[in-house]
Parts: sequence; structure tokens; C-alpha cells
Amino acid sequence: AQTVTQSQPEMSVQEAETVTLSCTYDTSESDYYLFWYKQPPSRQMILVIRQEAYKQQNATENRFSVNFQKAAKSFSLKISDSQLGDAAMYFCAYRKSTYMEYGNKLVFGAGTILRVKS
Amino acid sequence: KAGVTQTPRYLIKTRGQQVTLSCSPISGHRSVSWYQQTPGQGLQFLFEYFSETQRNKGNFPGRFSGRQFSNSRSEMNVSTLELGDSALYLCASSLEFSPIAPTYNEQFFGPGTRLTVL
Repeated sequence: AQTVTQSQPEMSVQEAETVTLSCTYDTSESDYYLFWYKQPPSRQMILVIRQEAYKQQNATENRFSVNFQKAAKSFSLKISDSQLGDAAMYFCAYRKSTYMEYGNKLVFGAGTILRVKS
Repeated sequence: KAGVTQTPRYLIKTRGQQVTLSCSPISGHRSVSWYQQTPGQGLQFLFEYFSETQRNKGNFPGRFSGRQFSNSRSEMNVSTLELGDSALYLCASSLEFSPIAPTYNEQFFGPGTRLTVL
């Protein structure tokens, strides 16, 4: 079974600084998707960024970028120029790529609480 | 377009009762997935429905069941409630054209239903 591990229960960053959240995963599949989701205090889960395993290029979305190391099964999220609105719980998630067999099932890590200090 | 809606938002039940939660997906979305979020177990996949058929099921006892209607709205039911069923229940919908759709479609989450079992 696939597992996702986030070893940092909590992180803090100063406003405007950069922070990196770590995630490792375990799978025997060669093709899959990895995600970072943000869950603010409202509890609404929001997709931050997505990475397809077959793509070597790291995904970026504005201030958010990932460092995807497939061989090491590592998928970290870098937030640049941190803003107060970035404060939230961040979840790393995994999904198999073959929808027909596995559907949309997401396997989540335990989450990392990110605090942003002004 | 309206987002994913879940009703009710908050619910208090006592042990032994049963409960039904509802999820209305984004218009046009045919896949609905359910997740349970607790402080101890994190986010866990319950089941996924596509075109009124259960596509995938997580590791939960038979007390947890669900269904999907022809308009893609989904309900989940928990019978004989236990204290440990207290959780935030999230549903997510995505646009799937067919059960074998090869492309990725983003899952959009609802705000959740907070269930408290006393």
C-alpha cells in the first residue's frame, strides 16, 4: 500500500521569507500524481500544486514550487515570499495515475502546520 | 459556478444513532469521493462514487455506507455511531467523462460536515 510521510508537524516562517515543507512517499508504481493541499482554519481544502511523476520538470505555481526527486521518493514544497495568508495546514497527497482501476483515491500525509510571523 | 456543497455543516449525535451526510458536487461533475478527517488518524479515504456506482472503497467498517443519485449528489450514512466517528467529513468532486478517462481532473473539496458523537 502507498504511504505518505510528512515528518514536520509544525513549521514557522517570517513574512516575506522562504520555507520548505518536506514529504516522502512509498510506492511501487512508476506513474502517479503528487499534490500539495492547503487547509486553512476554514477547513476548506485547496489544491496548491500538482506534479505528474512522469514529468522530470518540477511544477511551479507563482510563489509555490516543488522539488520532486523520484528516485528518492521525495516531494518538498517551497513557499517563497511567505504571506500571512499562507498560514494553514499543508497536506502532501498521492494518487495512482490509472483512474480506471483506482479512481480518485488520495492518500494523504499527516500534515504540517505552517505559521507565518509578521 | 457554485462549489461543492455539504449539508449539514455541523451535526451532534449520540452513540448508537445513525446519521446521513449529503454532498452536492459541482455541476457536471460525476465523481464524488468522501474522506474522514480526525486528529488521530488524519485524512482517510472512505469511498468514491461515479455514475451511481461505487468505484473504490477505503478500510472502514460496514457501518459506513454511501450512495450516489442520478444527479450525482451523494450521501454517506453511518449507522450505530461510536465516539470515534467524531470527525470532519469531507467530500470532493471531479469532472470525469468516463470510467477510463486517462487524463487528470482536479478534485474540488467541499467545506465539510463536522460530526460530533456524544
